[in-house]
Amino acid sequence: GAGVSQSPSNKVTEKGKDVELRCDPISGHTALYWYRQSLGQGLEFLIYFQGNSAPDKSGLPSDRFSAERTGGSVSTLTIQRTQQEDSAVYLCASSLNSGGGQDTQYFGPGTRLTVL
Amino acid sequence: EDQVTQSPEALRLQEGESSSLNCSYTVSGLRGLFWYRQDPGKGPEFLFTLYSAGEEKEKERLKATLTKKESFLHITAPKPEDSATYLCAVKRGSNYKLTFGKGTLLTVNP
Repeated sequence: GAGVSQSPSNKVTEKGKDVELRCDPISGHTALYWYRQSLGQGLEFLIYFQGNSAPDKSGLPSDRFSAERTGGSVSTLTIQRTQQEDSAVYLCASSLNSGGGQDTQYFGPGTRLTVL
Repeated sequence: EDQVTQSPEALRLQEGESSSLNCSYTVSGLRGLFWYRQDPGKGPEFLFTLYSAGEEKEKERLKATLTKKESFLHITAPKPEDSATYLCAVKRGSNYKLTFGKGTLLTVNP
C-alpha cells in the first residue's frame, strides 16, 4: 500500500519568510510525528499527534514552529520567519497506535528545507 | 535523559567482509529498540524492533541482537547495495517519541 508522503520534496526560501510543509500519513494510522534531521545530527523529535487528543509540542524548538492535523489525517508543519538554522530535512512518520510496544513508526521521504 | 550512541561513525568494508555496528543506549524502561536504514535523500526505512535482552532478529544478511546496554547489527557477507546509513533508536516505556543515535555510515566496496 501507499506509504507516508511529504511535499514539497525540496523547499528553498529566504530568511524571514514563512513555509508550510505537508505530510500525508499511511491510511488508518492514528499517530503522526514530525522529526528534524540536521547535518551531522540525529533525528530530533518535534511534535506528535494521536487521534483527537491535544498534540505534544514539547519538541518544537521555538514559537515560530507550529503544526496542525486536520481530520485526523493530513498534517502541516509551519515555520514562521524562517532562520538559517532552520535549514534541515523535516521528516514525518506515522504509526498505527502510539501506545503499544509493537508500534513501528514509518517515515516519509522528507522535505529538505534550505533557508538562504 | 535518554541517550543513544552509535559506533563507529563510518565503516568501510569490502564486499563479503562481515562486521558489526554498535548501538549503546541509556533509557529508563526500554519499550523497544529500533533499527532503520537510510539511503541518501530518503527517509529512514524500518528494519527491526527488539524488545528484551537476548532477543535476536534476522533479515537477509542482517542480524540484530540486544543486551541490557547495547544492540549490535551484524552484517554477514555484505554487498554494495547494503551501503547506507544505519540508525538506531529507542522508545521509553511511558513515551512514544523515538530517540535516535547519529547513525553509522556503511560503505561496501565491490
